[in-house]
Amino acid sequence: KNEVEQSPQNLTAQEGEFITINCSYSVGISALHWLQQHPGGGIVSLFMLSSGKKKHGRLIATINIQEKHSSLHITASHPRDSAVYICAVINYNTDKLIFGTGTRLQVFP
Amino acid sequence: KAGVTQTPRYLIKTRGQQVTLSCSPISGHRSVSWYQQTPGQGLQFLFEYFSETQRNKGNFPGRFSGRQFSNSRSEMNVSTLELGDSALYLCASSLRSRGDIQYFGAGTRLSVL
Repeated sequence: KNEVEQSPQNLTAQEGEFITINCSYSVGISALHWLQQHPGGGIVSLFMLSSGKKKHGRLIATINIQEKHSSLHITASHPRDSAVYICAVINYNTDKLIFGTGTRLQVFP
Repeated sequence: KAGVTQTPRYLIKTRGQQVTLSCSPISGHRSVSWYQQTPGQGLQFLFEYFSETQRNKGNFPGRFSGRQFSNSRSEMNVSTLELGDSALYLCASSLRSRGDIQYFGAGTRLSVL
């Protein structure tokens, strides 16, 4: 079993829909990152969380440390949001960064 | 402020050769991390450098090595290339550690024939 699991693996949506991507992890962590990767490979860091909730524009990230779970929400989705979204955690004991396998999102107009 | 710069962007090598990839971090950033991305394994952490010292290392064989210079620029070297080393190699910089926001370069796509 992977230490970081994401769901769903693939997601399609119509423009304007509210989207949720989930990340569960099985190790103690010091921080969690949400990353966005567009076709061609470029990766952008969206959020770094260690507790609570963060909001940036139409993106909201939450984390529940007790439940070892984080969610990334996209409100009013747009075709330009189409990308792979990757959750990554820093293992508290080893200090290593462990990645989820990613969620491929396609938003259609 | 210039972003993270990786060179070269594309590289083709043959089995047994060695390769050196370069990463110039954002000015002022002292932590540089390297990652490998393949379709089968996804993203995996290779190593992190801070102030010219390797601070952490992933589960990769000794053929993978790196270093960081006093200006925070980093290089990654892979010796005795294998077909399975074909991947996108990404470098990311942050102010102090991987617990800070990471800024990624565009990556170097390595193909081993």
